[in-house]
Amino acid sequence: GAGVSQTPSNKVTEKGKYVELRCDPISGHTALYWYRQSLGQGPEFLIYFQGTGAADDSGLPNDRFFAVRPEGSVSTLKIQRTERGDSAVYLCASSLKASSYNSPLHFGNGTRLTVT
Amino acid sequence: AQRVTQPEKLLSVFKGAPVELKCNYSYSGSPELFWYVQYSRQRLQLLLRHISRESIKGFTADLNKGETSFHLKKPFAQEEDSAMYYCALSGFQGGSEKLVFGKGTKLTVNP
Repeated sequence: GAGVSQTPSNKVTEKGKYVELRCDPISGHTALYWYRQSLGQGPEFLIYFQGTGAADDSGLPNDRFFAVRPEGSVSTLKIQRTERGDSAVYLCASSLKASSYNSPLHFGNGTRLTVT
Repeated sequence: AQRVTQPEKLLSVFKGAPVELKCNYSYSGSPELFWYVQYSRQRLQLLLRHISRESIKGFTADLNKGETSFHLKKPFAQEEDSAMYYCALSGFQGGSEKLVFGKGTKLTVNP
């Protein structure tokens, strides 16, 4: 079946602009995660949803970052007033349920964000 | 706090040679550990998890709680094993379960 889909695959924006990154999880997966991967680093946790609610947003770096999942399926990561330091690959992952032990994470291909 | 350390950024071996990718972790509870792999131009995917005690593509990893390690091993490396490998730990932090990744090791298997 279809895997996790992320759009766009690449996004170039100017400093100060607003961007939205979209994630379509695998159908039926209740848990959805956003990670950020900077060059030379491993994926860094941002936020995770269980259903429609953000169960843990402790990884969001500041209040310019926000994410929603209004119907418990598609999620959008929103970044306001982008800064050059926001440039990274943003990864979305989903799993059947929240426990990663029983339900491994399935990752999308990521959105490469470049802030100029 | 949970932390995963992969001391080698790059590892290069010849085809047929044994390979070991090191992973050490820090976690106060009972850890659940994983290896994820990313082949060139592909998405990050699960390779294996310690609880399954499985061998995937010839790779094995043993959890050593005394040394807080979860090294990934393969006795005879193949060229198609060339990829980025990430060790990851699942544990409770801040009231919820998170998967925390190491910085990754780039494995190159030369012909």
